[in-house]
Amino acid sequence: DAGITQSPRYKITETGRQVTLMCHQTWSHSYMFWYRQDLGHGLRLIYYSAAADITDKGEVPDGYVVSRSKTENFPLTLESATRSQTSVYFCASSERADGELFFGEGSRLTVL
Amino acid sequence: EDKVVQSPLSLVVHEGDTVTLNCSYEVTNFRSLLWYKQEKKAPTFLFMLTSSGIEKKSGRLSSILDKKELFSILNITATQTGDSAVYLCAVSPTASKLTFGTGTRLQVTL
Repeated sequence: DAGITQSPRYKITETGRQVTLMCHQTWSHSYMFWYRQDLGHGLRLIYYSAAADITDKGEVPDGYVVSRSKTENFPLTLESATRSQTSVYFCASSERADGELFFGEGSRLTVL
Repeated sequence: EDKVVQSPLSLVVHEGDTVTLNCSYEVTNFRSLLWYKQEKKAPTFLFMLTSSGIEKKSGRLSSILDKKELFSILNITATQTGDSAVYLCAVSPTASKLTFGTGTRLQVTL
């Protein structure tokens, strides 16, 4: 089915471990985004990508790495997870950067 | 720093009531303002507003933008329990990203 999917949906890890959250979209949207959602902060942009091989930092990029070798995939890696990275992570895609975003179902990450 | 502020933070209403949710913003540049509804999972798109004074409607929901006073409102008439959700406002200060408010949590009771 067409859409945007994230995996895993739930992940528990330990401090210092590397974690990768996957995001896949089937619409061939140019733009893809990673947000984190925390109580009291709303949705904050981590990284975004305007096209394959083009990525840029958002509001809270520290501790995260992204890549976009193919238009449809936009993985987010936490190189050395910290407790402050416990959050719900949403991937989104869009035809335009300032247009309607289509969100994935979210990945709930807990760092112990 | 770009800022989007939503009010109230939360509210509880009875089914059938009309509610107004507020979104004010301060951004260096303005391209569009968007409203999303978030139930238990992913936010879903409601409206995108780019011009002042032009109301967007979808069923019982409507929204309008005031670019002079830098705010938008989202109205929901004849509320139903299915309207219970967090409503998110986002502003696009550049062509490459959105800045979200923290949301208004609406609970509609019977």
